[in-house]
Amino acid sequence: SQTIHQWPATLVQPVGSPLSLECTVEGTSNPNLYWYRQAAGRGLQLLFYSVGIGQISSEVPQNLSASRPQDRQFILSSKKLLLSDSGFYLCAWTGKASSDTQYFGPGTRLTVL
Amino acid sequence: GESVGLHLPTLSVQEGDNSIINCAYSNSASDYFIWYKQESGKGPQFIIDIRSNMDKRQGQRVTVLLNKTVKHLSLQIAATQPGDSAVYFCAENRNSGGSNYKLTFGKGTLLTVNP
Repeated sequence: SQTIHQWPATLVQPVGSPLSLECTVEGTSNPNLYWYRQAAGRGLQLLFYSVGIGQISSEVPQNLSASRPQDRQFILSSKKLLLSDSGFYLCAWTGKASSDTQYFGPGTRLTVL
Repeated sequence: GESVGLHLPTLSVQEGDNSIINCAYSNSASDYFIWYKQESGKGPQFIIDIRSNMDKRQGQRVTVLLNKTVKHLSLQIAATQPGDSAVYFCAENRNSGGSNYKLTFGKGTLLTVNP
């Protein structure tokens, strides 16, 4: 069966520090991968998606970047964190078919102080 | 713009009652809809989905109804239990080119089940 992992689970970082969040998927190949951010009590905002290694699409202009160095690895990064980067970050994967469901990871709670 | 939205932000029910959570969408080209359940501090969990060529789909204690005429989606939970307390999101899956599909989420409805 497929599983999706995210780490760390929680992170507290000072403003201006770098960021690296990692997401890995097991049990599938060539997935579509997604990064979302969720503010407290709000819905999910799509940040990036990737249909393959090295292929990244950005949904909104921001202080973050994403990379996909391996088929089942998706990384969210920042060179200098802002207070507004605080939130709950979720990684998700899906297959290539239109009816493939998106499955979410457990999330990373990021607090920027 | 096109969006997926929820009619009610909160819903409080008694244990054992049936719950109905509603969702409106505006993009008639969407062909796939999903309901997710999100407990506090966790990632969204898939509950049930429905294709646009269907009107109804049933799972274990859950039923999703799709009314394409009025672009309305609902999630019905039978015999609601305290463990059902969570935020429920509807999402529409749209093709954004090639084999890539993107979800657009509604704002979410907080379901509280009272014992």
